[in-house]
Amino acid sequence: GAGVSQSPSNKVTEKGKDVELRCDPISGHTALYWYRQSLGQGLEFLIYFQGNSAPDKSGLPSDRFSAERTGGSVSTLTIQRTQQEDSAVYLCASSLDRTRQETQYFGPGTRLLVL
Amino acid sequence: LAKTTQPISMDSYEGQEVNITCSHNNIATNDYITWYQQFPSQGPRFIIQGYKTKVTNEVASLFIPADRKSSTLSLPRVSLSDTAVYYCLVGGFTGGGNKLTFGTGTQLKVEL
Repeated sequence: GAGVSQSPSNKVTEKGKDVELRCDPISGHTALYWYRQSLGQGLEFLIYFQGNSAPDKSGLPSDRFSAERTGGSVSTLTIQRTQQEDSAVYLCASSLDRTRQETQYFGPGTRLLVL
Repeated sequence: LAKTTQPISMDSYEGQEVNITCSHNNIATNDYITWYQQFPSQGPRFIIQGYKTKVTNEVASLFIPADRKSSTLSLPRVSLSDTAVYYCLVGGFTGGGNKLTFGTGTQLKVEL
């Protein structure tokens, strides 16, 4: 299992509920990214982590979205009070080193459906 | 962030060469050009990356003119399994890391 893993693979929730999405990056990768892909759309950048800190949160669409990373490894993206427009595929990617143009390796994504 | 423009879709047949061109008029000096491939229900997969001139690897070539305002991904002898969405991205390291800007991509359909 050398790739990026994400869980759950699918999540159905009711409007107003909170959800947590998890990302396990490739071991040793210091940079971690969250993206969102709505149906038929390109990927939308959400947040970037370098180690446990998040230098760039500019893509988070509202204050209902937050993310953290612990131990320089696992990251969780939390969406509070979910809305139907939050329905999308949430993709996590990791890369080895932020100081170069490193390739980002993507996980399979979490498909979120808010009813 | 540099905005990219690429065709929405392209059709081809097995064994043909496919060239997908992307325009990025406001590319910055430190931006690289990267192409990703995405199959349905999967995350994007890196294909190739370049800064200028030509780059070739085992699956594709990337042609970048001197002004770097466009780039062309070349897929030699495509097969049915190359049917996917192809994304052209430009990005560089800023204080906020290697933030990639994805457009809507090009849906390539390969037929027999």
